[in-house]
Amino acid sequence: SQQGEEDPQALSIQEGENATMNCSYKTSINNLQWYRQNSGRGLVHLILIRSNEREKHSGRLRVTLDTSKKSSSLLITASRAADTASYFCATDAKGYSTLTFGKGTMLLVSP
Amino acid sequence: NAGVTQTPKFQVLKTGQSMTLQCAQDMNHEYMSWYRQDPGMGLRLIHYSVGAGITDQGEVPNGYNVSRSTTEDFPLRLLSAAPSQTSVYFCASSPRTGTYNEQFFGPGTRLTVL
Repeated sequence: SQQGEEDPQALSIQEGENATMNCSYKTSINNLQWYRQNSGRGLVHLILIRSNEREKHSGRLRVTLDTSKKSSSLLITASRAADTASYFCATDAKGYSTLTFGKGTMLLVSP
Repeated sequence: NAGVTQTPKFQVLKTGQSMTLQCAQDMNHEYMSWYRQDPGMGLRLIHYSVGAGITDQGEVPNGYNVSRSTTEDFPLRLLSAAPSQTSVYFCASSPRTGTYNEQFFGPGTRLTVL
């Protein structure tokens, strides 16, 4: 069964706007990770946030984690057309790098 | 480094046929895994390995076998292909088992079972 569930399923914005995607999960986790998948390609790791962290930044990415609500959000600031992709959250509950993925958010950034 | 490589990129099988999907990594990663991705379902873990000689089942292991005789290779075998196994298969590796490690994904194998 899916551990993480992303919201929204699809998001369409203009270049320069910010994009926010949310992820909810069901059980306690060791860490939560976000991945990007361009059409027809493999997944690329974006950022990892540990269960004892609340916020993390990497370039134009900002991730928050609220373990009390079992939720996370990914913010992409000043979006570019190249950010068009599907974004997945993945949780690591067992601590063996055994990830459980959500169904993903499809982001479309129009020029 | 080539990273994680997968072969073939595309494959069409008939029901009942068997085949092996190849996965190799040149990063000396301990951890390797296989996922399948179906439309609207995200990725689901099939099997994983925490080191040579050690494998374990994931969420959807039925119909698949794995072995890990070397650190570099982690082949996935379909014993008797079924249409329900039509999917895109991804192999991934991670530097070491543990709590805070990203996974590196291969480009995927798109499998169709007729």
